[in-house]
Amino acid sequence: GAVVSQHPSWVICKSGTSVKIECRSLDFQATTMFWYRQFPKQSLMLMATSNEGSKATYEQGVEKDKFLINHASLTLSTLTVTSAHPEDSSFYICSAVVANNEQFFGPGTRLTVL
Amino acid sequence: AQRVTQPEKLLSVFKGAPVELKCNYSYSGSPELFWYVQYSRQRLQLLLRHISRESIKGFTADLNKGETSFHLKKPFAQEEDSAMYYCALNGDSNYQLIWGAGTKLIIKP
Repeated sequence: GAVVSQHPSWVICKSGTSVKIECRSLDFQATTMFWYRQFPKQSLMLMATSNEGSKATYEQGVEKDKFLINHASLTLSTLTVTSAHPEDSSFYICSAVVANNEQFFGPGTRLTVL
Repeated sequence: AQRVTQPEKLLSVFKGAPVELKCNYSYSGSPELFWYVQYSRQRLQLLLRHISRESIKGFTADLNKGETSFHLKKPFAQEEDSAMYYCALNGDSNYQLIWGAGTKLIIKP
């Protein structure tokens, strides 16, 4: 099946700094990728839809200026958490859509903001 | 409104017993339903989707439009089935999935 990678898998940063998370489709092209946030013992929360070559579509309540998404190529989408604060600590997961409408998920990135 | 409900946060059964994870949905059109599974320390992966009508790892799920349900079933649970299971619905919006809250399945030896 299709493989999606995320980098880094784990990051710790100081409050006020920015962190970039990469999501790559390794063996296929993905015009659409999704960014999710997962809190402990909770379900996935969709943050935004990332479309190659266009602006991301953010879900209600997600600050687009805080969570910057760039989908510059068909194999890479990045999520930048700007001016991170402890409440941004979470598990961030991306997924990429293939032609049959199936989503393949990355392994996730654990962000801890001190 | 589009919604997916998984009423059980936790389901614990003994090995060899039948398993049914419930999923109900709310959608006015013709939905596409999925079950995703997340094993411990692994990424989310697709288990099955209703349009394929497959049986994966012994699991089946039938879409019941009358009851707006898509329950996941397996006749004889195995220990390796212990995982988080998420039901999801794709409506008509750009491949987005509407997710249920998930059910943690524990298979006791």
